[in-house]
Amino acid sequence: DQQVKQNSPSLSVQEGRISILNCDYTNSMFDYFLWYKKYPAEGPTFLISISSIKDKNEDGRFTVFLNKSAKHLSLHIVPSQPGDSAVYFCAASLFSGTYKYIFGTGTRLKVLA
Amino acid sequence: DTGVSQDPRHKITKRGQNVTFRCDPISEHNRLYWYRQTLGQGPEFLTYFQNEAQLEKSRLLSDRFSAERPKGSFSTLEIQRTEQGDSAMYLCASSLAVTGPQETQYFGPGTRLLVL
Repeated sequence: DQQVKQNSPSLSVQEGRISILNCDYTNSMFDYFLWYKKYPAEGPTFLISISSIKDKNEDGRFTVFLNKSAKHLSLHIVPSQPGDSAVYFCAASLFSGTYKYIFGTGTRLKVLA
Repeated sequence: DTGVSQDPRHKITKRGQNVTFRCDPISEHNRLYWYRQTLGQGPEFLTYFQNEAQLEKSRLLSDRFSAERPKGSFSTLEIQRTEQGDSAMYLCASSLAVTGPQETQYFGPGTRLLVL
């Protein structure tokens, strides 16, 4: 039962253009969403998050959008840089005694110079 | 503070051997999580500590797995009688308890286990 889905395993974007990574979820009770970036042989690095009471959060080049009615989350990176090339995971949490995260399967972003 | 650290970074072992991994969280963080990541998948929750108390264990955590956080600081994850299916990246994360759901976990570099 995959509660958090990233349906695009990979994405290629030209440097300077916008990268849009998508994430869908099934559980309407999730109350906090996050994006992590992961380089090979390293742990996930926190990028940006959004509470379920908001629909947008922005931090520099990164913006996360939340559409609760569609149960859809997206990460926009503008402008994309070669150093952004990594695997991006979306995660959702639901407080049920713990704040464990449920992760998607990741999208590999390649930014072409 | 240098973030979450894990040791060792890599471990190769033979099937049937026991292995132990260590995680040192960010110093003021009172919550600690273990996750496991296999190829092509996102991290999957294994277990969670608040201070020294282990409050939740996933059904992924078979009885061959045990985790401790004896003084509410560092944590260890032991796998007994390893099997080839245990080969994965084991990730540790820590967080500071906040009021409300907006709690961010910070991950360590992981320990990559290969069971031959």
